[in-house]
Amino acid sequence: NAGVTQTPKFQVLKTGQSMTLQCAQDMNHEYMSWYRQDPGMGLRLIHYSVGAGITDQGEVPNGYNVSRSTTEDFPLRLLSAAPSQTSVYFCASRRQGSGNTIYFGEGSWLTVV
Amino acid sequence: KQEVTQIPAALSVPEGENLVLNCSFTDSAIYNLQWFRQDPGKGLTSLLLIQSSQREQTSGRLNASLDKSSGRSTLYIAASQPGDSATYLCAVRGNAGNMLTFGGGTRLMVKP
Repeated sequence: NAGVTQTPKFQVLKTGQSMTLQCAQDMNHEYMSWYRQDPGMGLRLIHYSVGAGITDQGEVPNGYNVSRSTTEDFPLRLLSAAPSQTSVYFCASRRQGSGNTIYFGEGSWLTVV
Repeated sequence: KQEVTQIPAALSVPEGENLVLNCSFTDSAIYNLQWFRQDPGKGLTSLLLIQSSQREQTSGRLNASLDKSSGRSTLYIAASQPGDSATYLCAVRGNAGNMLTFGGGTRLMVKP
């Protein structure tokens, strides 16, 4: 059981480049989300989705795009990377409804130079 | 806006001690509260989830309590072991929406 899989684990980008962080889950979870974790700021929600074709903004959505074409996949796109997007990114998923455990991926370390 | 605070930020204890980690939140209108463990370079692992209507949850040596009216939760770890060394995070989910608001975490070191 793979759970939540994120790729790549490490990436260095130049300012202005674009890239996509991939996230896939094999638990048939309706809810998927992306967080970033920064020292002194904790984890903050970027975007989330409650099902295929449905996405919404979290606390810090600027500079990021998402789509949800399938239940399994929830990619996060950086269209024009900025040094302020240097962070650790976590994808998470859970079943919809109350009391359901959320599962996190192992993280993607992104450095923008 | 919900704010979640965890005190202390770091804690070092000898093996075998019982310990308490604290989490406080400013808005009592929560849906649930979760405690997570994060090992260095890894993702978060959910330890315990307490619904807003519950007072506590237990799993093995871990016990989490919730006092919604005072905006506080505690994570009690009994008979601590070196393998418990990690960062512990609490997060609350508000009644409106799906967002989890995280505290800054408590970095725990259990010395052999």
